[in-house]
Amino acid sequence: DTAVSQTPKYLVTQMGNDKSIKCEQNLGHDTMYWYKQDSKKFLKIMFSYNNKELIINETVPNRFSPKSPDKAHLNLHINSLELGDSAVYFCASSPKLQSYGYTFGSGTRLTVV
Amino acid sequence: KQEVTQIPAALSVPEGENLVLNCSFTDSAIYNLQWFRQDPGKGLTSLLLIQSSQREQTSGRLNASLDKSSGRSTLYIAASQPGDSATYLCAVDASNDYKLSFGAGTTVTVRA
Repeated sequence: DTAVSQTPKYLVTQMGNDKSIKCEQNLGHDTMYWYKQDSKKFLKIMFSYNNKELIINETVPNRFSPKSPDKAHLNLHINSLELGDSAVYFCASSPKLQSYGYTFGSGTRLTVV
Repeated sequence: KQEVTQIPAALSVPEGENLVLNCSFTDSAIYNLQWFRQDPGKGLTSLLLIQSSQREQTSGRLNASLDKSSGRSTLYIAASQPGDSATYLCAVDASNDYKLSFGAGTTVTVRA
């Protein structure tokens, strides 16, 4: 019973395409996040949502648009994909906004060719 | 802005040796600190969470200490095993910030 699940696990697509990554958590947490891990394995926050409300938008290009239909789901839509968008994207959740620990999904490896 | 540094970047030890992984952070106003493990091509597994009021946490062979005033945390892994080979990430949840700031990680190789 996966706590934070992301789909798809792998995504290979051409430059210029639009793609979405989905995330769901069954932990009953209020807060969800998107993190990006670049080729140097460094993890950085992209977005956070608390009870469907956007809290953090960390200077991410506006080609990236998160959507939270309810507090158990946080999806990431990317328009006009670029080579530099290739990375591993991790979804995470925490009980509250000021967290008591984070739970991460297994990641989505996006490759733009 | 919170900066998190992990030293060393890589570590290779023979099986059975104790591991010491260091993490330092620039802003001592933290809410908690979390240690994660990441296996190649996999997600992050939470190992230990230390609240700002705590000095240490233990789980099996793992022990993490926290010295908030000096901005340091240390992860100790006793009697290392080849299965401990992975990248270990330190992440800080700052009091005035609603996100985790990560270090670049320490990649550990335990030789059989």
